[in-house]
Amino acid sequence: QKEVEQNSGPLSVPEGAIASLNCTYSDRGSQSFFWYRQYSGKSPELIMFIYSNGDKEDGRFTAQLNKASQYVSLLIRDSQPSDSATYLCAVRSGNNRKLIWGLGTSLAVNP
Amino acid sequence: DTAVSQTPKYLVTQMGNDKSIKCEQNLGHDTMYWYKQDSKKFLKIMFSYNNKELIINETVPNRFSPKSPDKAHLNLHINSLELGDSAVYFCASSPRTGGGEQYFGPGTRLTVT
Repeated sequence: QKEVEQNSGPLSVPEGAIASLNCTYSDRGSQSFFWYRQYSGKSPELIMFIYSNGDKEDGRFTAQLNKASQYVSLLIRDSQPSDSATYLCAVRSGNNRKLIWGLGTSLAVNP
Repeated sequence: DTAVSQTPKYLVTQMGNDKSIKCEQNLGHDTMYWYKQDSKKFLKIMFSYNNKELIINETVPNRFSPKSPDKAHLNLHINSLELGDSAVYFCASSPRTGGGEQYFGPGTRLTVT
C-alpha cells in the first residue's frame, strides 16, 4: 500500500516566523511531488511542485525534496495569518495515473 | 471566468434518492477527476477520465456512475443514496493523464439524511 504521511497538526506559528511542513512517502519509485493549500470550506489549490532533489523556491515558499530519505517539505517564510490553511502533500509514482494524497497538516499563523 | 465549475454547490437529500452532480472545465484539459473528501478531510480519488475514456475506477460502489459526454464535462450520478455518501465531492482537471498539476472545482457538499 503506497502511503503519504503528514503530521495532522495543528501547527501553530507566530506571524513573521518560518512554518515548516513535512511529508514522508513510502514508494521509492515516486517521481513528482506536489503541495496543495486548502482553506476551510474551499477546494485544494496547487502552490508548489518539485521533481528533483534539492530546493525549489517560489516567493515565500520553498519546497525541499530528499529522495534518499523519502521526504518532502514545504517552508513558508514570513508567515502571514492568510497562510492559515490545511496543506496537502501529494505524490505521483512514475507510471501511476493518480496522485497519492496525505491527510494534510493544519497550519495556524497567529497575529 | 470560472476554470472548473460544479453544480450544485449544496445538495441535501434523503436516503434512497438518486442525484447527479455536474462538472465543466474551460481549461482545454484532457483529463478530469472525481474526488470524495469526507469529514476527516481525506481526499480520495474515485474516477478519472481522459478525453471521454474511463482510466481510473477506484473501489467505489456500483451506485456511483460517472459519465463524460465530452472532454470538457464530467458528471457523477449516484443511485440509492446512503448516509455514508455524505461528503464533499470535488471535480478536478489536469492537462496530462495522471498529472499532479490539478485544478479543482469549488466542490459539492452532499448531505444525506
